[in-house]
Amino acid sequence: NAGVTQTPKFRILKIGQSMTLQCAQDMNHNYMYWYRQDPGMGLKLIYYSVGAGITDKGEVPNGYNVSRSTTEDFPLRLELAAPSQTSVYFCAVGGFAGELFFGEGSRLTVL
Amino acid sequence: AQSVAQPEDQVNVAEGNPLTVKCTYSVSGNPYLFWYVQYPNRGLQFLLKYITGDNLVKGSYGFEAEFNKSQTSFHLKKPSALVSDSALYFCAAGNNNDMRFGAGTRLTVKP
Repeated sequence: NAGVTQTPKFRILKIGQSMTLQCAQDMNHNYMYWYRQDPGMGLKLIYYSVGAGITDKGEVPNGYNVSRSTTEDFPLRLELAAPSQTSVYFCAVGGFAGELFFGEGSRLTVL
Repeated sequence: AQSVAQPEDQVNVAEGNPLTVKCTYSVSGNPYLFWYVQYPNRGLQFLLKYITGDNLVKGSYGFEAEFNKSQTSFHLKKPSALVSDSALYFCAAGNNNDMRFGAGTRLTVKP
């Protein structure tokens, strides 16, 4: 039982490049989230989804896009990468009682 | 604005001593409250939650948390700290669509 799987674990991008962070879950939960974690700042919600075909913006959505075509997958797309997007990105799945289950994280550096 | 505050960036305790990691929140309604722990290069792991009922909540690894509605606090506690408890701890408050995280408190337990 893998839980929440994120790929890649590490990536270096040049300014202006695009990429997709992948997130897959085998927990059969409807709620999925993307957070970014910056030092001393806690976690900020980028986008979330309450089910296949439904997505909504969080606190910091600018520069990102998401899609949710299946219950299992929730990819995060970065268009025109900027240094401000250097961060650690976490995908999470929402449990039935509100607790979140996190992936291992994807560390992105934009140079 | 909804927010979660962890007033201490760092908490240092000696092994065997009790520990407290503080959290206060400013969230509308009756939010769910959570504590998570993060070890280096890992995702956050759920420790415990408060939804309703008894103000003292018991969670994983001997941790507990005390909910105080009048002080809007949810402090994490453990009667006897272990060196292996050293990690980054996050408090969170909210619900499925709007979960706010504190900035984190780094707990160091010294032998």
